[in-house]
Amino acid sequence: AQTVTQSQPEMSVQEAETVTLSCTYDTSENNYYLFWYKQPPSRQMILVIRQEAYKQQNATENRFSVNFQKAAKSFSLKISDSQLGDTAMYFCAFMKIGNQFYFGTGTSLTVIP
Amino acid sequence: DTGVSQDPRHKITKRGQNVTFRCDPISEHNRLYWYRQTLGQGPEFLTYFQNEAQLEKSRLLSDRFSAERPKGSFSTLEIQRTEQGDSAMYLCASSPVGGGVTEAFFGQGTRLTVV
Repeated sequence: AQTVTQSQPEMSVQEAETVTLSCTYDTSENNYYLFWYKQPPSRQMILVIRQEAYKQQNATENRFSVNFQKAAKSFSLKISDSQLGDTAMYFCAFMKIGNQFYFGTGTSLTVIP
Repeated sequence: DTGVSQDPRHKITKRGQNVTFRCDPISEHNRLYWYRQTLGQGPEFLTYFQNEAQLEKSRLLSDRFSAERPKGSFSTLEIQRTEQGDSAMYLCASSPVGGGVTEAFFGQGTRLTVV
């Protein structure tokens, strides 16, 4: 079974600063996908960024980037120039190809003005 | 709006009653997932469909839970004889199949409160 671990239940960051959220996972699969989802207080989850395991290059989406370490099974999310709208729960997720998504327990991020 | 739609958004029911939730996925998305989320936790997998076929069910899905996707479009999740422990947010998500990475698109959820 796949497991996803987020060891930081809560984090805070000053507006305009950079923050990194941690995620580790456990799998015996070689091909899979990793995701970071954001869930604002309105509760609808939206995709922040995704990474294909076969790609060595770390994914980036504007202010969001990941540090994917396949051997270490680590997938951290870096948010640069944090904005108030980044305040949300962030979930790391794993998907084996053609299968379901497995989510971590989430990190609650608060951006402080 | 062409996103994933869930109905109702909120449901309060008395213990022992049956409830049914509906999910309309994004058009042409073959995959449809049901997740349960309790406060402060991540989504827990319940079941998923590819078209009308139910491919996997979690052990969380006791015999009081049943899900259908009869025509491969919308899906329903029914909980019979509700218990207080069923109180949670029930999330539906859909994704296309093929063409590479398939992210899941989530609905806003149905919040169930069993009193």
